[in-house]
Amino acid sequence: EPEVTQTPSHQVTQMGQEVILRCVPISNHLYFYWYRQILGQKVEFLVSFYNNEISEKSEIFDDQFSVERPDGSNFTLKIRSTKLEDSAMYFCASSVGRSSYEQYFGPGTRLTVT
Amino acid sequence: AQRVTQPEKLLSVFKGAPVELKCNYSYSGSPELFWYVQYSRQRLQLLLRHISRESIKGFTADLNKGETSFHLKKPFAQEEDSAMYYCAPLADYGQNFVFGPGTRLSVLP
Repeated sequence: EPEVTQTPSHQVTQMGQEVILRCVPISNHLYFYWYRQILGQKVEFLVSFYNNEISEKSEIFDDQFSVERPDGSNFTLKIRSTKLEDSAMYFCASSVGRSSYEQYFGPGTRLTVT
Repeated sequence: AQRVTQPEKLLSVFKGAPVELKCNYSYSGSPELFWYVQYSRQRLQLLLRHISRESIKGFTADLNKGETSFHLKKPFAQEEDSAMYYCAPLADYGQNFVFGPGTRLSVLP
């Protein structure tokens, strides 16, 4: 069964550095998402992406964040200048359509900012 | 503002006992509601959605619009049901999930 994959599984970076988190969605899916989960807190929506542009974003997704689909397979989340409070688990998800279609989640990337 | 609450952070039951994981939501309109589950060291995965009215792994959930609830139930819990359970309405400003805080279910032998 196809799965969403994410790399790396764990990323450690220093405050102020840029990080890029990578995701490979399921191949026939058209909608892509990033969520994050700070340790001990709930899963929070960051951004959704369709047809090569952002379709929705939350208040968390400020100018420090950007997303890109650089080729036909990868979907990336870039944090320009990381802060300590960016430390979290970042989940990528994809779905074949919007609305009530199931979102398939990746295993997550744990980002630690020191 | 949309809100979803899951009042229990941790719920422990014995194997074979009934289990109910509570979820209440505060939404305008008619949200679509889902339950996602995360077993230990595994990814988040869909458990069930209210529009399909199905039973998955013995779990059911009924949408009660009057009480704005979508509680997850199973008549006889199994040890393999131990996991984090997230109630997830689809946000009414878009098509992304607003996850509840989650309830950790622990089924004791």
